[in-house]
Amino acid sequence: GAVVSQHPSWVICKSGTSVKIECRSLDFQATTMFWYRQFPKQSLMLMATSNEGSKATYEQGVEKDKFLINHASLTLSTLTVTSAHPEDSSFYICSARVAGDRGDDQPQHFGDGTRLSIL
Amino acid sequence: AQKITQTQPGMFVQEKEAVTLDCTYDTSDPSYGLFWYKQPSSGEMIFLIYQGSYDQQNATEGRYSLNFQKARKSANLVISASQLGDSAMYFCAMTEGYGNNRLAFGKGNQVVVIP
Repeated sequence: GAVVSQHPSWVICKSGTSVKIECRSLDFQATTMFWYRQFPKQSLMLMATSNEGSKATYEQGVEKDKFLINHASLTLSTLTVTSAHPEDSSFYICSARVAGDRGDDQPQHFGDGTRLSIL
Repeated sequence: AQKITQTQPGMFVQEKEAVTLDCTYDTSDPSYGLFWYKQPSSGEMIFLIYQGSYDQQNATEGRYSLNFQKARKSANLVISASQLGDSAMYFCAMTEGYGNNRLAFGKGNQVVVIP
């Protein structure tokens, strides 16, 4: 159980293109999803917290207009990298969480990530 | 300030041996959660084990166990009987505060299991 599907796995596109990445919880409902960015051989950096039915909460330094997040349903969150440039090339990975009774003991379940390369 | 510290260099481990990965954390919140994730070269993040700050006993999940030393603020992961498939990056992560879902990750430990 607790499967998170992320699509696409790989994207290669030209500079200036907007790219949409989907994150779906397949067998559970996720009121909260998270978007991370990971550079090679580095840790995951939280970009934003996506809450179903409300605006996403962005981490300091993350451009809201650059990285648009939409959490339209309890099973789907999307990240759109607008007008992507080579410096946006990275590994983007989402996660989703099922709230337990205590709320703090449930792990985040991750998608397989999206490797984005902007030429 | 770094919330999670993982400072070990890359490690080579003999197959079937045990390996301990160090993790220290920094928080002033009495309620927190500690997680370990595994990331193979393919990139996916695999949840391994969880330890709550109020848990009295060390967490165990199959070959994984967590050596939780609260006073020292350490949460070391022990992998017993290493297998070739254990070769991966291992990340320690923490949430702070009840109901706070934001995960702060350490920089990771690289483990290579050799036959």
